[in-house]
Amino acid sequence: DIQMTQSPSSLSASVGDRVTITCRAGRTISSYLNWYQQKPGKAPKLLIYAASSLQSGVPSRFSGSGSGTDFTLTISGLQPEDFATYYCQQTYSTPFTFGPGTKVDIK
Amino acid sequence: QLQLQESGPGLVKPSETLSLTCTVSGGSISSSSYHWGWFRQPPEKGLEWIGSINNSGSTYYSPSLKSRVTISVDTSENQFSLKLSSVTAADTAVYYCARYDSRGYTYFDYWGQGTLVTVSS
Repeated sequence: DIQMTQSPSSLSASVGDRVTITCRAGRTISSYLNWYQQKPGKAPKLLIYAASSLQSGVPSRFSGSGSGTDFTLTISGLQPEDFATYYCQQTYSTPFTFGPGTKVDIK
Repeated sequence: QLQLQESGPGLVKPSETLSLTCTVSGGSISSSSYHWGWFRQPPEKGLEWIGSINNSGSTYYSPSLKSRVTISVDTSENQFSLKLSSVTAADTAVYYCARYDSRGYTYFDYWGQGTLVTVSS
C-alpha cells in the first residue's frame, strides 16, 4: 500500500488568510493525487484532481501543485465556508489510500 | 445531475453480513467511462477505500477487507451493491458510494450522502 501523510494535522486561520496543506506519498505517484473537502456530516467533495486540475464548480481560490511524492493544496483567501477537513488521496495504484486529513478551523 | 443514494440496514449484528445498495440516478451505471466504488469512515476517523467495480463487473478490493467483501453491479436497476461478511464493531462506520472517472487520472467526483451502519447486538 502507498502510505499518505499530511501536514499539519490541524490549523487555525482567519478569513482572508492564505492556507497551505502538504501531502506526501510513500513512493512516487506521478500526478495521481486528488484533494477533497469534507464538512461534518457530509460526504467528501472533490476539489482538485490530477494534482493540479480544478474540479468544475470549485472556486479558483483553491489550487494544487506537485508531482512525484510531494503535493500541496493552497487556499488563497480563506472564506467562512472553507472551514472543513481536507484529505489527499492517491489513485496511482490500488488500494486507493487517503491522508489522515487536515482540519482547518477558525482562529 | 447525477445522484447516488446508499440504502440498507442501519444496524447489523456481529458476525452477520452488512449489505448496502447504491442507486444511481441521472446517468447510466453502464457507461464505460465510469467506475463505481465504496468507501467508509468510522466515527471521528479518516476515509478508507473498500473497493471498486467497473461496468463489465471487474472488481478491485482493499487487501485488508478482500476476504470479506463482495461488490456487484445490477445494470437493470442502475445499482451497485456492497456485502461485507463477518462484521465486528470495527466495521461501524458511515459508508459512502461514489463514481470515479477512469478515462485518465482517476478521481471520485460524485458521492452519495453516506449511511451510518452500526454493528451491535
